[in-house]
Amino acid sequence: EVQLVQSGAEVKKPGESLKISCKGSGYSFTTYWIVWVRRMPGKGLEWMGMIYPGDSDTRYSPSFQGQVTISADKSITTAYLQWSSLKASDTAMYYCARLDGYNYALDYWGQGTLVTVSS
Amino acid sequence: DIVMTQAPLSSPVTLGQPASISCRSSQSLVHSNGNTYLSWLQQRPGQPPRLLIYKISNRFSGVPDRFSGSGAGTDFTLKISRVEAEDVGVYYCMQATQLPYSFGQGTKLEIK
Repeated sequence: EVQLVQSGAEVKKPGESLKISCKGSGYSFTTYWIVWVRRMPGKGLEWMGMIYPGDSDTRYSPSFQGQVTISADKSITTAYLQWSSLKASDTAMYYCARLDGYNYALDYWGQGTLVTVSS
Repeated sequence: DIVMTQAPLSSPVTLGQPASISCRSSQSLVHSNGNTYLSWLQQRPGQPPRLLIYKISNRFSGVPDRFSGSGAGTDFTLKISRVEAEDVGVYYCMQATQLPYSFGQGTKLEIK
């Protein structure tokens, strides 16, 4: 069974750093892109970027380039999304999802990680 | 970048009645390989999104056949033949033809 399990909710202060994770299992982790998606409170889904764990090829949305870093450790089948200096506007639910590389659809999703940034 | 525009943004529907959501892209979604990477997702309250339809009209595993997708080029439609209570949520179209991939704004389906 394909599963993506994300790390738990985080409460941080502005300026702090954070790294959240997404662990894949039940499939070949290195041969599917992992996508990160943001949903801000009361808003829709936003495509942030993605990584191919096989060779760490990474693509970012221009809206998120330079704001976050996407990485992966294939030895532990885990992808990451990290911030070096959080802002209040980073408060959102973050989802990872697997991209089916044949049909180019997000076929399996993590449960989401709620990040709250507040002073 | 490709902009995805959905309509309506809110859709109150009576149980058992049909519902339809439109999605338009600012550019053709036909890839150079001839495929059109337009998918539909459902997000029920408190849950992660779930894939319903991929490549315009293909239902994902386990999706009821009351959901159907159609369209071509820049105009696409998701139809629900008979709305059930469990269909309440927000529906998104998404294009993966061109980077950066993008979602529509979402359409909230509610029961009248």
